Amino acid sequence: SQTIHQWPATLVQPVGSPLSLECTVEGTSNPNLYWYRQAAGRGLQLLFYSVGIGQISSEVPQNLSASRPQDRQFILSSKKLLLSDSGFYLCAWSVKGLNYGYTFGSGTRLTVV
Amino acid sequence: AQKITQTQPGMFVQEKEAVTLDCTYDTSDPSYGLFWYKQPSSGEMIFLIYQGSYDQQNATEGRYSLNFQKARKSANLVISASQLGDSAMYFCAMREPSSGNTPLVFGKGTRLSVIA
Repeated sequence: SQTIHQWPATLVQPVGSPLSLECTVEGTSNPNLYWYRQAAGRGLQLLFYSVGIGQISSEVPQNLSASRPQDRQFILSSKKLLLSDSGFYLCAWSVKGLNYGYTFGSGTRLTVV
Repeated sequence: AQKITQTQPGMFVQEKEAVTLDCTYDTSDPSYGLFWYKQPSSGEMIFLIYQGSYDQQNATEGRYSLNFQKARKSANLVISASQLGDSAMYFCAMREPSSGNTPLVFGKGTRLSVIA
């Protein structure tokens, strides 16, 4: 069966520090991968998505970046965190095709101080 | 323009009663998929139900059903016999075909509180 792993679960980082959040999927190949951010009590904002290795689409210009070095690995990074980067980050994967929704990771709660 | 609109920021329902969460969508494509997700306070996103634009019948999954009115572009979630554990944020989402790789677009969500 397919599983998605996302870590860490919580993170407290100082302003200006780097960030690396990792997401891996098991039990499937060539998935679509997604990074979303959710501010407290708000909806989901799509940050990046990838349909294949090295293919990244950015939805929101900001100081975050994403990479997909392997088929089932998706990494969210920042060189220098801002206070506004605080939030709940969710990774998700889907099979390619219209009828398929997402399976989400358990999320990372990031607090920038 | 908003593709998914959830007009109810918060809803209250008595335990064991049914509740309807509203969702309207905007698309000019004849082929699309509609999804509902539940997000408890733990933060995990749980898939509830799916409706395809060409599906003839409303989708049902246990206590969840989707009231799909294509002409009105609405896809309301109905939860029957509410339970305390149903208290959560609920998100409606849509996927348009393009290449089949288009990301889901989510609404802003509705917070449901079930009262004992």
